[in-house]
Parts: sequence; C-alpha cells; structure tokens
Amino acid sequence: KQEVTQIPAALSVPEGENLVLNCSFTDSAIYNLQWFRQDPGKGLTSLLLIQSSQREQTSGRLNASLDKSSGRSTLYIAASQPGDSATYLCAVENYGQNFVFGPGTRLSVLP
Amino acid sequence: NAGVTQTPKFRILKIGQSMTLQCTQDMNHNYMYWYRQDPGMGLKLIYYSVGAGITDKGEVPNGYNVSRSTTEDFPLRLELAAPSQTSVYFCASSLGRGSSYEQYFGPGTRLTVT
Repeated sequence: KQEVTQIPAALSVPEGENLVLNCSFTDSAIYNLQWFRQDPGKGLTSLLLIQSSQREQTSGRLNASLDKSSGRSTLYIAASQPGDSATYLCAVENYGQNFVFGPGTRLSVLP
Repeated sequence: NAGVTQTPKFRILKIGQSMTLQCTQDMNHNYMYWYRQDPGMGLKLIYYSVGAGITDKGEVPNGYNVSRSTTEDFPLRLELAAPSQTSVYFCASSLGRGSSYEQYFGPGTRLTVT
C-alpha cells in the first residue's frame, strides 16, 4: 500500500529566502506526482504535475523534482513571498490505483 | 468555466440526520472523486466514478453513498450522520487517469456532526 509523507510538517521563513519542501513515497511504481497548494478554508490548487518519465517541472519561482528510485520529490520555492504562505500537499498516482496524498507542509513566509 | 463547484459550503448536522453534498463540474471530465480531509491529515478517497453510471469505493467508503447519473454531477450522500464524519469534504475531477492528467478541486464543504 502506497504511503506518502511530507517533511517538515510546518516551516516558517523570512521573506526572500529560498526553501525546499520534501515528499516521500514508498511505492515507486507511479504514474505521476502532483504538488498542490491549499489556502486556509479553500480547496486545492494544482501547482505542478511531474509524469513518471520526467525528472523535474518548473513554473515561475517553483521547481519540482522527482526521483522515483529513491521515492522522493522536492518542491523548491525561490525568493519566497508572504503570498506563498499556505499548506503544500503532494499526491502520487500509482498504476491502477487512486491518488494518495501526503499530510502537507504548512508554510509561513514572514514579511 | 466555473470548474468544480460544491454546495453547501458549511453544514451542521445532528447525529442520525441525513444530507447530500452536491458536486458539479463543467469541464466534461469523465472522472470524479470525493475526498475527506481531517485536521492535519492528507486527503482520503471516499468514492470515485469513471463515468456516468459507474462508481466505485475508495479507501474510506463506510457511511457514504454516491451516484453518477450525468457526467456533470456526482452527489455524496450521508445517511446516518455520525461524529466521526465531521470533516472537510472535497470533490475533484479529471479528464482521465494516468501520467498527464491533473485533478481539479472544488472549494470544499465543512461538515460538523454533533
């Protein structure tokens, strides 16, 4: 059974810092891995989707990498801003199975 | 294009009451999903559907029922509400399954059972 963990559970950084969020999964037979952002009281917004054949995806200040063999993905946020404050979740989709979500990392970027 | 919409946004139920959470998507997506999110936890799949008339259980289906009579709508029914069903419920949809298909989420329904 796929299990997804995220470290750290919470992170607080000053504005302007570069930061890395981590996602680990136990079963490497995945279709894809998706990073989401969740604002308080809101739904999930898709940030990046990495297909199993890809190593990384970039969107603006966000870069997500995928290492299937080690069961890890990282989300790199450059030059963080207070507007980046949110909970970030990763989810993996295995062959023939449904999405499994991690518990999320709660990020606070202080002005 | 409204995407995925959910109603209601908030609801308080008494133990034993019933209710239906509504979900509609206007993207002509085949796949639809219901998740619940408990505090500090990831999302857990309740039910999903691969198309009109086809539904299947997810990880935590007990106490819930679904139907999919149209491509657009995927309501979630709670028959006998219990305190353990206090949670935030999210509906999602995707065009397909596999490498390049993203899931799109609704804003959620916050349910409290007392």
